[in-house]
Amino acid sequence: DGGITQSPKYLFRKEGQNVTLSCEQNLNHDAMYWYRQDPGQGLRLIYYSQIVNDFQKGDIAEGYSVSREKKESFPLTVTSAQKNPTAFYLCASEQGPYNEQFFGPGTRLTVL
Amino acid sequence: EDQVTQSPEALRLQEGESSSLNCSYTVSGLRGLFWYRQDPGKGPEFLFTLYSAGEEKEKERLKATLTKKESFLHITAPKPEDSATYLCAVQAGSNYQLIWGAGTKLIIKP
Repeated sequence: DGGITQSPKYLFRKEGQNVTLSCEQNLNHDAMYWYRQDPGQGLRLIYYSQIVNDFQKGDIAEGYSVSREKKESFPLTVTSAQKNPTAFYLCASEQGPYNEQFFGPGTRLTVL
Repeated sequence: EDQVTQSPEALRLQEGESSSLNCSYTVSGLRGLFWYRQDPGKGPEFLFTLYSAGEEKEKERLKATLTKKESFLHITAPKPEDSATYLCAVQAGSNYQLIWGAGTKLIIKP
C-alpha cells in the first residue's frame, strides 16, 4: 500500500536535546511538507521541499532543521533552540503544485 | 493578508440532524480550496478539492460547495462516526503553501 509513515508515534525530549522525526513516503511524490499542530490552531508550516536536495523555510522554521537527500525521505530535527517544541508534528506529501496533500499519522513530541 | 476562518469552532448535533460548516477566505487568486477530516491523534484525511465558484463535490453524507468568498461543508443525516474535526485550507496565487483554518470540531450524539 502506498502511503506516508512517520516515526516514532510518541517522542519525549529532555531540555537541551536535539531529536529527529522520521517521515517516509512511497507515493513517488515530489513535494514534502512538515507542519506543527497546536490545540485550537490551524496547521503551521515549518519547512517544505519541492525537489530532492532543496528545501525552503515555512512560517515557523526557527529551531528546526531538515534534509532532503532522497525523494522518499524528509526528516525533521527539532533542536534545543526551539523553546516550545511540545506539539503534534505532521508530515505531508504532494504530487505537484495545486494538488491535495496527503498526511502521515503524526508524531507527538513532549518536552520533559 | 491572506486569511482562512472556519465557523463554528464546535458544533454538536443529534444523529440525523443535518447542518453546515463554513470556511470563509480572503485571498488573491484562489487556486484551490481543500477540505480534510481529522480524527483525534491522527493525521488529516483528504476529502475534497474545489477549484472554482459554483463547483460542488459529494462523498457519502458530505457535500462541499464553493463561492467566491466561502465554502460550505454540508452534512446530511450525520452518524456518530462522522464526529471529527473538519479542516479547510486554501492555496492562492503563485504560493504553493496552504493557508489553514483552525478547524470545526463536529460532535454527533446518538
